[in-house]
Amino acid sequence: DAGITQSPRHKVTETGTPVTLRCHQTENHRYMYWYRQDPGHGLRLIHYSYGVKDTDKGEVSDGYSVSRSKTEDFLLTLESATSSQTSVYFCAISESGQSYEQYFGPGTRLTVT
Amino acid sequence: AQSVTQLDSHVSVSEGTPVLLRCNYSSSYSPSLFWYVQHPNKGLQLLLKYTSAATLVKGINGFEAEFKKSETSFHLTKPSAHMSDAAEYFCVVTSNRDDKIIFGKGTRLHILP
Repeated sequence: DAGITQSPRHKVTETGTPVTLRCHQTENHRYMYWYRQDPGHGLRLIHYSYGVKDTDKGEVSDGYSVSRSKTEDFLLTLESATSSQTSVYFCAISESGQSYEQYFGPGTRLTVT
Repeated sequence: AQSVTQLDSHVSVSEGTPVLLRCNYSSSYSPSLFWYVQHPNKGLQLLLKYTSAATLVKGINGFEAEFKKSETSFHLTKPSAHMSDAAEYFCVVTSNRDDKIIFGKGTRLHILP
């Protein structure tokens, strides 16, 4: 299995609080991605990174920010959590661009009450 | 613009019978196409990928898919279903020409004993 970990694995938080999810890889892959998975929607891309300090928005980026200060770490921050952000969040990595296969982390289940 | 449609949200087959999961795509550029599998409470795992080489692609666990440009399809098949194939399957389209990664909404495969 690719070396990808996500922390925390489960989190319950209150509306309006900031939340940061962490993705850590040991594969030295250039690209990292954050997705959310909701029933009936498949996976939707939130943000991605193509190198240290290089990030871009995906299709559902509103309310989320990211940072990548090291190759191995990609952080997803919910500035002020809302109930609509209750979801399962997956991190993924790939060696290069979008035509390469992605390797997924185990997911973080976030509940916003 | 790119899009992907998984034509069935649920498919049920008996153990030992063939599996067919259907995927149609739309892409303005030459696409890369993937099938991923997700077992309950797990991350996604790559089954197979098409990136403009052979149109018949073989993947893990006996799955294969055929890229048909004229039909804009990339259906996933397996000759004989096994109980361990019960999972959700996602068809994905990407392109090197833009940064879009589009997941289908998923097909849940049920295996009947």
